[in-house]
Amino acid sequence: AQSVSQHNHHVILSEAASLELGCNYSYGGTVNLFWYVQYPGQHLQLLLKYFSGDPLVKGIKGFEAEFIKSKFSFNLRKPSVQWSDTAEYFCAGDSGGYQKVTFGIGTKLQVIP
Amino acid sequence: DAGVIQSPRHEVTEMGQEVTLRCKPISGHNSLFWYRQTMMRGLELLIYFNNNVPIDDSGMPEDRFSAKMPNASFSTLKIQPSEPRDSAVYFCASGGRGPNYGYTFGSGTRLTVV
Repeated sequence: AQSVSQHNHHVILSEAASLELGCNYSYGGTVNLFWYVQYPGQHLQLLLKYFSGDPLVKGIKGFEAEFIKSKFSFNLRKPSVQWSDTAEYFCAGDSGGYQKVTFGIGTKLQVIP
Repeated sequence: DAGVIQSPRHEVTEMGQEVTLRCKPISGHNSLFWYRQTMMRGLELLIYFNNNVPIDDSGMPEDRFSAKMPNASFSTLKIQPSEPRDSAVYFCASGGRGPNYGYTFGSGTRLTVV
């Protein structure tokens, strides 16, 4: 079945540490991939998205993600996290045209000052 | 752009009552999604519409749940009768085309059924 999986459910980092959150997808053919962030008590906000082209995608707030087709991965990275990055991060994918959209279970990131 | 607008923000109701959640998508977006978020099950897609037509309602948990989209600017999610296990945050999202492709979420409705 088409799906997206996130392996790290809870990550704790100190400020200024580097971040990498894993996301793997199982879509065949066309795939659109997204990373969303949900700050405590708020709604999901788009960080970045990949449709095609350059596999390195840069998003807001210094986040980036790399699409690696051979590994079916779309990991989220940030070189230096801040306390304000404490949130839950969701990877999502669809097979184009909003078909078969799925969200990962989410990764809770806690940044310690 | 006012974004996706949901109402009410919070709803507390008694078991057995009818609950109606409302959503106004972003103008020009032609796809609309209803999600439910709980600690136990995470984010679940309930139903999505394309051009006001329901495309996939396989995530709707039971017949107690129904959703409508009478026009491009309004959708409702109704639960009748409500049960305590329906307590969750319900998000509406809309999606556009081309560079606006993607899911823009509303602020959600926190539903508590007592």
